[in-house]
Amino acid sequence: NAGVTQTPKFQVLKTGQSMTLQCAQDMNHEYMSWYRQDPGMGLRLIHYSVGAGITDQGEVPNGYNVSRSTTEDFPLRLLSAAPSQTSVYFCASSNWGRSGANVLTFGAGSRLTVL
Amino acid sequence: AQSVTQPDIHITVSEGASLELRCNYSYGATPYLFWYVQSPGQGLQLLLKYFSGDTLVQGIKGFEAEFKRSQSSFNLRKPSVHWSDAAEYFCAVGVKNTGNQFYFGTGTSLTVIP
Repeated sequence: NAGVTQTPKFQVLKTGQSMTLQCAQDMNHEYMSWYRQDPGMGLRLIHYSVGAGITDQGEVPNGYNVSRSTTEDFPLRLLSAAPSQTSVYFCASSNWGRSGANVLTFGAGSRLTVL
Repeated sequence: AQSVTQPDIHITVSEGASLELRCNYSYGATPYLFWYVQSPGQGLQLLLKYFSGDTLVQGIKGFEAEFKRSQSSFNLRKPSVHWSDAAEYFCAVGVKNTGNQFYFGTGTSLTVIP
């Protein structure tokens, strides 16, 4: 059981380039989300999804796009990278909405540097 | 708006000493409450959670937390800290509404000295 898998672990981009951070979970979780972590600011929610075909914006959505075509996958797209998007990104999922533990399970993170 | 406050940015304790990390939340009802730990360069690992019932919850690695409704607090404690406990600790609130969101505090960095 792999849990939440994020790729790549590290990425360096130039300003204006685009890229996709991949996230996959094998726990059949309905809820998936993306956070960014910056020093002194904790984790801030970028986008989230409560099921396939359903996405919504979090606290800091500008500059990022998401889609949820399957239950397992929730990619995060940077359309035109900016230095302000230099951060560590975490994907997390939960079986929120079902009986049982409504706990967020995190991936290992993706460190992105935009030059 | 929901919010989570961790007033201590950084705490230093001696190995073997007791530890208490503070967490306060702002929410109209009793939310789901969590503590996560993040070791350097790692993802976040769940330490413990509170959904309902007994207000003192036990977690992994010898940690416990107490939910106090009157103070809107969910402080994390450990009786005797080990050097391996040095990490970043995050308090989080889960709010089940149309958005089903989780809100995180800004974290407390723990240093353990010999």
